[in-house]
Amino acid sequence: EIVLTQSPGTLSLSPGDRATLSCRASQSVSSTYLAWYQQKPGQAPRLLIYGASRRAPGIPDRFSGSGSGTDFTLTISRLEPEDFAVYYCQQYGSSPQTFGQGTKVEIK
Amino acid sequence: QLQLQESGPGLVQPSETLSLTCTVSGGSIRSSSYYWGWIRQPPGKGLEWIGTIYDGGSTYYNPSLKSRVIISVHTSKNQFSLKLSSVTAADTAVYFCARHLEYGRKAASGYWGQGTLVAVSS
Repeated sequence: EIVLTQSPGTLSLSPGDRATLSCRASQSVSSTYLAWYQQKPGQAPRLLIYGASRRAPGIPDRFSGSGSGTDFTLTISRLEPEDFAVYYCQQYGSSPQTFGQGTKVEIK
Repeated sequence: QLQLQESGPGLVQPSETLSLTCTVSGGSIRSSSYYWGWIRQPPGKGLEWIGTIYDGGSTYYNPSLKSRVIISVHTSKNQFSLKLSSVTAADTAVYFCARHLEYGRKAASGYWGQGTLVAVSS
């Protein structure tokens, strides 16, 4: 099973700041099969990025994904008030598909 | 617009079977070429993939749950279901149903239900 480790656990930032979230895999993940989700309290996860760098339909271009192998990054270029949430990475190329433990982006 | 909605008991007795249904609207499960699945989230914790099914009947389960899980498709009702047997308190979670964004087994989940909380308790 591929273990995904996200860092930091919590990111305290202000609206307008740039957010950089990390996801490290215990073994190589094909970049085709790496996704990022956003989850707000009481809501289902929302797909932001798939294939490591492809934005899902309707996702603003301030969200971008990059990386390969074992190191992947989600970047939010300028935080909007609605972006404060928990973010999860997921690998779906190897069974079982697995999720990271999440990074909380909170208002500073 | 595709919508998914989970339904089922909110409380299950220990050692019993948890049964949930996901009703799909705005699209058809039949011959859709998409994969459908279940993911769960214990209160205050992260996400865990349970399993995935294809309309053709192929199923894929998390090995950690495989001995207790059955996922089925009911195309005439445009639904798919989850059965998890011999539940314990560790199975208390919000259960989400979802559909892959793209064709193929290896795809991210682009459409999600709102989730339903199932508590295991006597």
